[in-house]
Amino acid sequence: GENVEQHPSTLSVQEGDSAVIKCTYSDSASNYFPWYKQELGKGPQLIIDIRSNVGEKKDQRIAVTLNKTAKHFSLHITETQPEDSAVYFCAASGPRVDGLTFGKGTHLIIQP
Amino acid sequence: DAGITQSPRHKVTETGTPVTLRCHQTENHRYMYWYRQDPGHGLRLIHYSYGVKDTDKGEVSDGYSVSRSKTEDFLLTLESATSSQTSVYFCAISESRETFDTQYFGPGTRLTVL
Repeated sequence: GENVEQHPSTLSVQEGDSAVIKCTYSDSASNYFPWYKQELGKGPQLIIDIRSNVGEKKDQRIAVTLNKTAKHFSLHITETQPEDSAVYFCAASGPRVDGLTFGKGTHLIIQP
Repeated sequence: DAGITQSPRHKVTETGTPVTLRCHQTENHRYMYWYRQDPGHGLRLIHYSYGVKDTDKGEVSDGYSVSRSKTEDFLLTLESATSSQTSVYFCAISESRETFDTQYFGPGTRLTVL
């Protein structure tokens, strides 16, 4: 089955700086890659996603890039703000309808 | 939380007792999922449903069963709870076969098995 590795497990950045979280996946058939943000005590919230026919997608301060050849994808957050502090999860899914495979999460800490 | 509620939100139970968690959606989405979240493991799929009475197993289905008699409700049952099933359980939904992978999550149920 699919295996998703996520790094780093903890990332601390100064407010206003950029943050990058990276994920790799194992199944070349995977074709959908979402990113979720989870705040303490809440469910994961979908913040951005990308499909395999696209190399990059942006939404304001957030962007995701995908390299299908290398089987890795990354989340980029620019001009970080205190409200960006949370745990971020990457995930992957393939053409089969059988759920998402998640990375283990990155705890992003924004230092004032 | 995309019109998803989970009940109860918190539960403490004893080993060997049966437990049922409920997920209710108001979006009329076809697909529903149960995941568990544990430190160091991220979220892992337990079971999913692709329609009323249509369910299938996920990665960590042992010890769990599910039922879906109505579009809006998806029940997760622990027939005889064990301490290893202490976890936070999340329900998710997705709209259709074409967008099955775009999943939205509920607020979660924290289950403690003593």
